[in-house]
Amino acid sequence: GAGVSQSPSNKVTEKGKDVELRCDPISGHTALYWYRQSLGQGLEFLIYFQGNSAPDKSGLPSDRFSAERTGGSVSTLTIQRTQQEDSAVYLCASMWQVGVWDTQYFGPGTRLTVL
Amino acid sequence: GQNIDQPTEMTATEGAIVQINCTYQTSGFNGLFWYQQHAGEAPTFLSYNVLDGLEEKGRFSSFLSRSKGYSYLLLKELQMKDSASYLCAVKDTDKLIFGTGTRLQVFP
Repeated sequence: GAGVSQSPSNKVTEKGKDVELRCDPISGHTALYWYRQSLGQGLEFLIYFQGNSAPDKSGLPSDRFSAERTGGSVSTLTIQRTQQEDSAVYLCASMWQVGVWDTQYFGPGTRLTVL
Repeated sequence: GQNIDQPTEMTATEGAIVQINCTYQTSGFNGLFWYQQHAGEAPTFLSYNVLDGLEEKGRFSSFLSRSKGYSYLLLKELQMKDSASYLCAVKDTDKLIFGTGTRLQVFP
């Protein structure tokens, strides 16, 4: 497919467990973003990768959250020792390149529920 | 700090015109985006403004005033399928800062 894909689409986990969320960006897109959207809320920026530069982690809410991007393509967001407040939809977006004009293309998201 | 304000909810009638306002205060500005998000789906791009003025695209138009920190999205000839959340986002350097979104309900 030509769009951004994310897996799993839904994840239910128990409090204290670790989870990994995957994002496959559009081929050739150099920028990749992770956002979190809680019920009825806007998108909260988490982390941003651009090419080979060091990621911008300024939005990560705690050190339980981390992300990596291997080979400039696929990205994994890891949440350790999950808490109930981590329950949200996690959205990934990619962009061809960061410039004055470009839009982000969003994946369908992973709905995370922490029991 | 970063602050983007939109009304939480709006309602309108099929065939009517609705204007969704967005005001922003951000440390940087490299353009303003509007996205549409249907319930349970990913946001999809609607419009982009970087210069002052009106950008028209079919039934949707977006306006920007940088000096006032203000934008609006204008939806004409409303259809039932326009019922969705509309997200205003400001591009601050390399990142998008989103508002909480405006949930629009279109009634017959």
